[in-house]
Parts: sequence; C-alpha cells; structure tokens
Amino acid sequence: DTGVSQDPRHKITKRGQNVTFRCDPISEHNRLYWYRQTLGQGPEFLTYFQNEAQLEKSRLLSDRFSAERPKGSFSTLEIQRTEQGDSAMYLCASSSSQEYEQYFGPGTRLTVT
Amino acid sequence: DAKTTQPTSMDCAEGRAANLPCNHSTISGNEYVYWYRQIHSQGPQYIIHGLKNNETNEMASLIITEDRKSSTLILPHATLRDTAVYYCIVYISNFGNEKLTFGTGTRLTIIP
Repeated sequence: DTGVSQDPRHKITKRGQNVTFRCDPISEHNRLYWYRQTLGQGPEFLTYFQNEAQLEKSRLLSDRFSAERPKGSFSTLEIQRTEQGDSAMYLCASSSSQEYEQYFGPGTRLTVT
Repeated sequence: DAKTTQPTSMDCAEGRAANLPCNHSTISGNEYVYWYRQIHSQGPQYIIHGLKNNETNEMASLIITEDRKSSTLILPHATLRDTAVYYCIVYISNFGNEKLTFGTGTRLTIIP
C-alpha cells in the first residue's frame, strides 16, 4: 500500500487554459474526495465519490470544474478556462465506507499566471 | 456541523506536552470531535477522534469536557516533527467518510 498519490505535484498554466489532475486512491478504498486549499486556509471540500458515483458537490465546484471517477478507481479533476482565483493546492483523499479516517495525498499545487 | 474555535498559533518546547484547545460550544449530542494535522507541504493526517470519553492512541490523547463544549488534544512529548497546523473538526459520524469542514486550525511550533 503506497498511499494516495496525485499527479502532477505542481502545475503552472496560463489563464484560460484547461488543466486536469489525477488522483489514485488506496486500492481498496471505495470513497474518494477532492478538496481545495488556498494559502493560510484549511482545506475546503469540493466533491466526493462512492465507487464511480459522485454523491455530493460543493457550491465551490463551478461549472468550469468537473470530476470523474471511471470504474471507481482513479479520479480526475478538470478545470476549464482557468482563472487566477483557481490558484490553490488541490488535495485528494480516500477512505472505505466503514472507516473513520480519510487518507490524504500530497496535493497538486496549481498556479495560474 | 458545529463550528469550532481554535487559537491561531501556539509554541511548545521540545519534549514537553503540547496541549491544543478547541471550543465547540454548539456541538450536538451525536457529533464527534476529530483532529487532523497538516505538516508543511503535505496533505492532512488523521490523529484521533472521540464522542464523549477521553481517547488515547499512539499519537495523542483527546480530552473532551463533560459538557462536550470543548476539548484538548495532547501530544505528550512533542518533537520537532510535530510542528504543523492542527485542525479540530466536529463531525456527525463515527465514520469520517463524508465531507470534512476544516477551519483555519492552530499553527503549533515546537521550539528546540
């Protein structure tokens, strides 16, 4: 078990470009979460999946954001037409249905110039 | 979920016990208290959680007052590696497998 992994770890993009991040959860975990964290703030919930079903989405997840989890394994988070306000750390976490702990990955740091 | 209040920052000498307070005066009877920490440039890490009894694990102890309106996370022998932001989260389930609502946490600095 290598833990939750995220790719890339850092991404610099120009405003208006699309970006996609990947998260690979711990293999037996059926729940997967995305959070966003800006400087000096705690992580903010974006969305979560149980298997391939997206069960909840935050109001923070505007229509420029889309998340998928095909086949209930890895997940992708896409941001279209990036804006400078999208600059943040994007964190992924996973857990099993009967577990009290969420396991977080190292995050993808996005910088929009 | 109930709102929590934590001090913005704290210092603790290496080797001493670090006591991190959290107020959650609006907590309801079925809400749990969770603690996570985030070391610089890493994702948050679960520490401990409890409902009303005190809890202890290999990382820390959690003391919850009888009225459940506040709690204290205790790191018994703080090391430099305990320098991190500590988040107190009140959560409706014993299974922390839905969305977590983080505040701004307490920045704990361990002083050599």
